[in-house]
Amino acid sequence: GAGVSQTPSNKVTEKGKYVELRCDPISGHTALYWYRQSLGQGPEFLIYFQGTGAADDSGLPNDRFFAVRPEGSVSTLKIQRTERGDSAVYLCASSLDSATGQYEQYFGPGTRLTVT
Amino acid sequence: AQSVSQHNHHVILSEAASLELGCNYSYGGTVNLFWYVQYPGQHLQLLLKYFSGDPLVKGIKGFEAEFIKSKFSFNLRKPSVQWSDTAEYFCAVNEGNTDKLIFGTGTRLQVFP
Repeated sequence: GAGVSQTPSNKVTEKGKYVELRCDPISGHTALYWYRQSLGQGPEFLIYFQGTGAADDSGLPNDRFFAVRPEGSVSTLKIQRTERGDSAVYLCASSLDSATGQYEQYFGPGTRLTVT
Repeated sequence: AQSVSQHNHHVILSEAASLELGCNYSYGGTVNLFWYVQYPGQHLQLLLKYFSGDPLVKGIKGFEAEFIKSKFSFNLRKPSVQWSDTAEYFCAVNEGNTDKLIFGTGTRLQVFP
């Protein structure tokens, strides 16, 4: 079956611009996660949705970052006034509904964001 | 705050050598533990996981990991590596009642024929 998909695969933008990154989770997965992976680091948690609501957004670095999941399926990560430090691979993952953290998270291929 | 340490940043082995990658975490409560692998050009995928029960966990492709609670460790092992095991390996943990994963910085494994 289809896995998690992310678009675009690569995005180059100028400092100060606005970008949107899209994630399509596995069908039937109610939990959706965004992570950010900088060069030489492991993925860093940003935000987690259970259905349409953000259950935990404690990893968002500042108010320039915002994510939505209006219908409980596709999610969009939005970054305003991009800075060079935002350059990273943005990963999306999805999993079955879980309150115990014991379901596998399936990762997408990521979007490589480069801010020039 | 929780943290995960992977002390081996880059490991180089010949085929058939044994592998052990270290992972230590800082949280003292109930945790779930994971090893993920990223093969060149591919997505992160789950190798194995530990939630409870037998502390020796077996995963895909002949990998296993042992949870030692007293040492806050979850080291990954494989008795005989293959060239196809060349990849980046990430240890991750979440607290027992949350879903967000905390990852280590990863270990890059290179296996030469």
